[in-house]
Amino acid sequence: EPEVTQTPSHQVTQMGQEVILRCVPISNHLYFYWYRQILGQKVEFLVSFYNNEISEKSEIFDDQFSVERPDGSNFTLKIRSTKLEDSAMYFCASSGDRGDTEAFFGQGTRLTVV
Amino acid sequence: QKEVEQNSGPLSVPEGAIASLNCTYSDRGSQSFFWYRQYSGKSPELIMFIYSNGDKEDGRFTAQLNKASQYVSLLIRDSQPSDSATYLCAVSKQGAQKLVFGQGTRLTINP
Repeated sequence: EPEVTQTPSHQVTQMGQEVILRCVPISNHLYFYWYRQILGQKVEFLVSFYNNEISEKSEIFDDQFSVERPDGSNFTLKIRSTKLEDSAMYFCASSGDRGDTEAFFGQGTRLTVV
Repeated sequence: QKEVEQNSGPLSVPEGAIASLNCTYSDRGSQSFFWYRQYSGKSPELIMFIYSNGDKEDGRFTAQLNKASQYVSLLIRDSQPSDSATYLCAVSKQGAQKLVFGQGTRLTINP
């Protein structure tokens, strides 16, 4: 069964460092997303990406965040200068031919900023 | 008012019984409704989606949608201990990309 894969599963970084979280969406999907979940809190939308550009982003997704699809398979989230409050699980998701159809999530990357 | 509201629980149900999970949403423009299951430390796993008013059944799961009341529910029949998890309700508007999640309801099935 096709699945969304994310790497790494766990990343520890020092405050102020840049991190790149990587995702391989399901191959025939067209919409890609990043969500985050701070421990004990709800899942929050960060950004959606369609046709090689950001289609929607939340207030959380400020200038320190960026996304890229560097090739035909990978989708990345970069956090330029990490803060302690960026510590969270980051989930990549993808969905098919319409943005409001079923989204499938990767297993997540646990980011710990120290 | 929260966009998507769920009772955080915990909801405790005996094995074999029906578990009923509820969700309300505030945006009348919401068109698509999803139930995800999340085990502790894991990612959300899609278990049901519903777009039209009424009931939708898939195995032991039934999703119910009432757009007039802005209410969506999930019934789990013949509950099993493996159903113990947090159940997340998520909604999206037509043509919109983002899912808005509730805080989740923690369900425990007691053997």
